[in-house]
Amino acid sequence: DVQMTQSPSSVSGSVGDRVTITCRASQGIASRLAWFQQKPGKAPKLLIYAASSLQSGVPSRFSGSGSGTDFTLTISSLQPEDFATYYCQQTNTFPLTFGGGTKVEIK
Amino acid sequence: QVQLQESGPGLVKPSETLSLTCSVSGGSVSSSSYYWSWIRQSPGKGLEWIGYVYYSGSTGYNASLKSRVTISVDTSKNQFSLKLSSVTAADTAVYYCARAPKYWYFDLWGRGTLVTVSS
Repeated sequence: DVQMTQSPSSVSGSVGDRVTITCRASQGIASRLAWFQQKPGKAPKLLIYAASSLQSGVPSRFSGSGSGTDFTLTISSLQPEDFATYYCQQTNTFPLTFGGGTKVEIK
Repeated sequence: QVQLQESGPGLVKPSETLSLTCSVSGGSVSSSSYYWSWIRQSPGKGLEWIGYVYYSGSTGYNASLKSRVTISVDTSKNQFSLKLSSVTAADTAVYYCARAPKYWYFDLWGRGTLVTVSS
């Protein structure tokens, strides 16, 4: 299985801060990576697919980059509604696998 | 607007079979554009993909669960289902149904349903 490792496991920030989350795959997955946002008690919400494509309706402050084994999700200016847990998912190889999550908390 | 809704028992006894259904509204499970998956989330194991079904009935499963899982589709009812046999406490989780286009990112999720395995 492709292991997805996210770092950090948690990050604290203030409104307006720039935040970057990293996801590393245990083997190359080209650009086949998605990012999700999950709030407590809710289902994950797709933010980014194909490593850098913004899902319809998602604010442009979210961006993704990377290919191969190393990927990043950047929130350019944290907003109050962005405090949540973020997950990466590789879409290259079965079984589809997710990272362990990064919790973005209020500083 | 397409919506997914999970339904089924919230409590299952150990060694029994967990059965859940996902109803699709505002769209069709018979669409050739999508694959329909089950995903679960537990505190201990995070998000775990269980498997998928296509409208044709073809399936794919996570090898870690394959011996216990059956996913099927009922196009006449516009729904798909999950059966997980011989459950243990380790199967306690929130179970989500989700939709994925052919590149396998999940663009639509149900709200999730908590299933607890306990006697």
